[in-house]
Amino acid sequence: QKEVEQDPGPLSVPEGAIVSLNCTYSNSAFQYFMWYRQYSRKGPELLMYTYSSGNKEDGRFTAQVDKSSKYISLFIRDSQPSDSATYLCAGGGSQGNLIFGKGTKLSVKP
Amino acid sequence: EAQVTQNPRYLITVTGKKLTVTCSQNMNHEYMSWYRQDPGLGLRQIYYSMNVEVTDKGDVPEGYKVSRKEKRNFPLILESPSPNQTSLYFCASSLYGGGLSGAFFGQGTRLTVV
Repeated sequence: QKEVEQDPGPLSVPEGAIVSLNCTYSNSAFQYFMWYRQYSRKGPELLMYTYSSGNKEDGRFTAQVDKSSKYISLFIRDSQPSDSATYLCAGGGSQGNLIFGKGTKLSVKP
Repeated sequence: EAQVTQNPRYLITVTGKKLTVTCSQNMNHEYMSWYRQDPGLGLRQIYYSMNVEVTDKGDVPEGYKVSRKEKRNFPLILESPSPNQTSLYFCASSLYGGGLSGAFFGQGTRLTVV
C-alpha cells in the first residue's frame, strides 16, 4: 500500500464553489504535511505547510490535518479558474523522505 | 529570485547515449533531490543528497547516477538511457530533508528516449 493515497479526479467545479481535496496516509511517523499546486507543464509549488493536527488558513486556502484518522484536506473557498491545476499532498517525518500522493486534477469552470 | 534551475527543459535522445541533466539552486539549501513524474504513478524519488558529497538512493534509482560536488549543483546522469526512462524529471531543493521544510521544485525536464 502506497503511503499517501489521493483520489486522482478529475474534479470539475463551477467558479465560486468550495473545493475539498483529500488524502489519507498510513505512516504514523509523519508529522509534517504539505500541499503543492502544479500547473500544466510547470514544477510543483508549495502551497501550504502544516505540522501536527489542526487547521491552517492562508487566504482562500485552508489545510486541515487529522492525525487520529490519518486524513489531510485542502479547502479552497471561492474557487477561481486560476485555481485549475493538479494538487499534490505530501507527508514526511523528521527523517526519511517526503512521500507524495499521485495528485488530484482540479478544473474550475467560469 | 529564489529558484531551482534545470537544463535542458526538453530533450530527445537515442537509447544508450549518455546524457546529463543539470540542476542548480541559489538558496543555499542543504538537501536536494531528483524525482520523475509519470502518469498514474505520481512523483517518485530517484536520488537525494543531504549535503556535499553525501548522496543516497530514493525509490527508483536504477539506471541513474548523481553527484554533489558543490552545494548548489546536483546533476542527474543517465549513462545508458533506455525508453523506459522517458519521463518528466524534477529537481528539488529544501533547507532540510524529510518533512522539516518545504521543497522548491525546478521547472522540469521532459526527456524522451527513442
